[in-house]
Amino acid sequence: EVQLVESGGGLVQPGRSLKLSCLASGFTFSNYGMNWIRQAPGKGLEWVASISSSSSYIYYADTVKGRFTISRDNAKNTLYLQMTSLRSEDTALYYCARSYPGISGFFDYWGQGVMVTVSS
Amino acid sequence: DIVMTQTPSSQAVSAGEKVTMSCKSSQSLLYSENKKNYLAWYQQKPGQSPKLLISWASTRESGVPDRFIGSGSGTDFTLTISSVQAEDLAVYYCEQYYDTPLTFGSGTKLEIK
Repeated sequence: EVQLVESGGGLVQPGRSLKLSCLASGFTFSNYGMNWIRQAPGKGLEWVASISSSSSYIYYADTVKGRFTISRDNAKNTLYLQMTSLRSEDTALYYCARSYPGISGFFDYWGQGVMVTVSS
Repeated sequence: DIVMTQTPSSQAVSAGEKVTMSCKSSQSLLYSENKKNYLAWYQQKPGQSPKLLISWASTRESGVPDRFIGSGSGTDFTLTISSVQAEDLAVYYCEQYYDTPLTFGSGTKLEIK
């Protein structure tokens, strides 16, 4: 069974940093592109970033480019999102999701999400 | 960026009725080399993560009831639920994966009368 479990969220002040993790199981993690997608409270879905299976290709939404860094450790089956210079508009539930067939594919499995609240 | 426009934003139907919802993209999602439309539909029930229903505009995922039907090509797409059930209460999103940035529609909220 495919499982994606996010962690690392919480309350953080504007301008500070936070690192999210997503532990994957039930599939060969190193074969799949992975993504972060967020959902602000009561709002729709917003793609944040994607990383290819070998980390060769990485894409970001313009809203986070230069502030967020997506990475992965295939040996640990873990996806990361390092978030810096956080703003109130980054407040959202952050989902980890697997891509199929490639880095820019649809999202066939999602985690349960982790909440990030940016507030003073 | 490819803009995805979903209509209506919400609709209320009775159980057993047929419902259709629209998703339009600002540019074609049909890739000429493989004749595939790079369009997916997701269902998000209250308090849950989104769930993939349909990929390639019309390919239903394993385990998804056959009352969910995806259709369309190019820039115009439709999700049809042939006979709505109470458990279909959810927000439905379309997503294009033709190009980055990957973009979602704003969603159609389905309410059951």
